[in-house]
Amino acid sequence: KAGVTQTPRYLIKTRGQQVTLSCSPISGHRSVSWYQQTPGQGLQFLFEYFSETQRNKGNFPGRFSGRQFSNSRSEMNVSTLELGDSALYLCASSLFGGPGQPQHFGDGTRLSIL
Amino acid sequence: AQSVTQPDIHITVSEGASLELRCNYSYGATPYLFWYVQSPGQGLQLLLKYFSGDTLVQGIKGFEAEFKRSQSSFNLRKPSVHWSDAAEYFCAVAQLLTGGGNKLTFGTGTQLKVEL
Repeated sequence: KAGVTQTPRYLIKTRGQQVTLSCSPISGHRSVSWYQQTPGQGLQFLFEYFSETQRNKGNFPGRFSGRQFSNSRSEMNVSTLELGDSALYLCASSLFGGPGQPQHFGDGTRLSIL
Repeated sequence: AQSVTQPDIHITVSEGASLELRCNYSYGATPYLFWYVQSPGQGLQLLLKYFSGDTLVQGIKGFEAEFKRSQSSFNLRKPSVHWSDAAEYFCAVAQLLTGGGNKLTFGTGTQLKVEL
């Protein structure tokens, strides 16, 4: 069974640009969550999608958004990029998003802002 | 609010020695606890999980963890460390959210170095 796939693996952008990251969950998984990992703040929850609906959102500005498609694939968008957005963005999937269902992570997209 | 504390930022052990990584959590209800491992340039790999029942849980790669409610701890152990175990280890607790899903709250991680 294929794992969670994130594309691209690396991105370099400049301040003010926008970026879209993609995540394909494990087959059959319907919940997709996004996390940001930085050396200073660690791993922080961005948002969670289930059945094409954002169910939950972390404490991030509105520049961070996402969506989920009918096949459960998800995209995350960051607009008006800032230097502080440089991070590893991790996507995780689980069956239905219940706390007893482990989240399986992809290898992440490393975003660097110049 | 729930939180996870990993008191050790760095740990160095010799190959073949035993290992214990500490994790303390703060959560009002019965916790759903996890240990993940992250190698450089990679995502998080699930090592093991605890939901209920037996307080000693077995995971992959020879790891085990013991849940102690009285101490609010969920320490990770391995009897004999291999050089390939060098990585960063994260303890996490799942929090139910009002929207119906859940989110993981992670500790700050413990960087494990293995000396040959």
